Amino acid sequence: GAGVSQSPRYKVAKRGQDVALRCDPISGHVSLFWYQQALGQGPEFLTYFQNEAQLDKSGLPSDRFFAERPEGSVSTLKIQRTQQEDSAVYLCASSLGGGHYQPQHFGDGTRLSIL
Amino acid sequence: GESVGLHLPTLSVQEGDNSIINCAYSNSASDYFIWYKQESGKGPQFIIDIRSNMDKRQGQRVTVLLNKTVKHLSLQIAATQPGDSAVYFCAENIDTGRRALTFGSGTRLQVQP
Repeated sequence: GAGVSQSPRYKVAKRGQDVALRCDPISGHVSLFWYQQALGQGPEFLTYFQNEAQLDKSGLPSDRFFAERPEGSVSTLKIQRTQQEDSAVYLCASSLGGGHYQPQHFGDGTRLSIL
Repeated sequence: GESVGLHLPTLSVQEGDNSIINCAYSNSASDYFIWYKQESGKGPQFIIDIRSNMDKRQGQRVTVLLNKTVKHLSLQIAATQPGDSAVYFCAENIDTGRRALTFGSGTRLQVQP
């Protein structure tokens, strides 16, 4: 398929460890988004890239969260010194252009569990 | 997979009936809205979108209605099928200067065969 691909699908880490989550957007999509989804809730925005530029990181909950997209394609969300409250599903989405009225298409997410 | 939305409002319909899922959005300045379907263990799947300069938009078996006066959005699904069972989220772009979507709390649709 040609959808958004995320890896790993599941990640278990001990509190205090660093984790890295990968997102491969739909080929040719300029915009890339990261969202966090807690159990029983809707996704919440974390950050947004247009090509390699991070244009909005207002949703990142702390300086332990860091995202990059160095070549304007694949993106990595890194969480340092993980805490139990970081346990959630992390969703990546992409859209074709950088325009306002562009639907975001989501991957199936990475389920992160912090023990 | 683990269920999404364990304590969500639930709409239960019979197979073949029409379903209407409602959403009250928060910001009168929001100008773009999207409906997503999320099945257990999967990411949100795009269904249909609508801009604020429209009142209605139709897709295949789905219709979205937008009432800006009361800040209300609805998703109508015709001839509901068991495969339509999922959690449905409305999402809005609250800040026209940003691309971030704000999601509602979701509604679980259960289709009885």
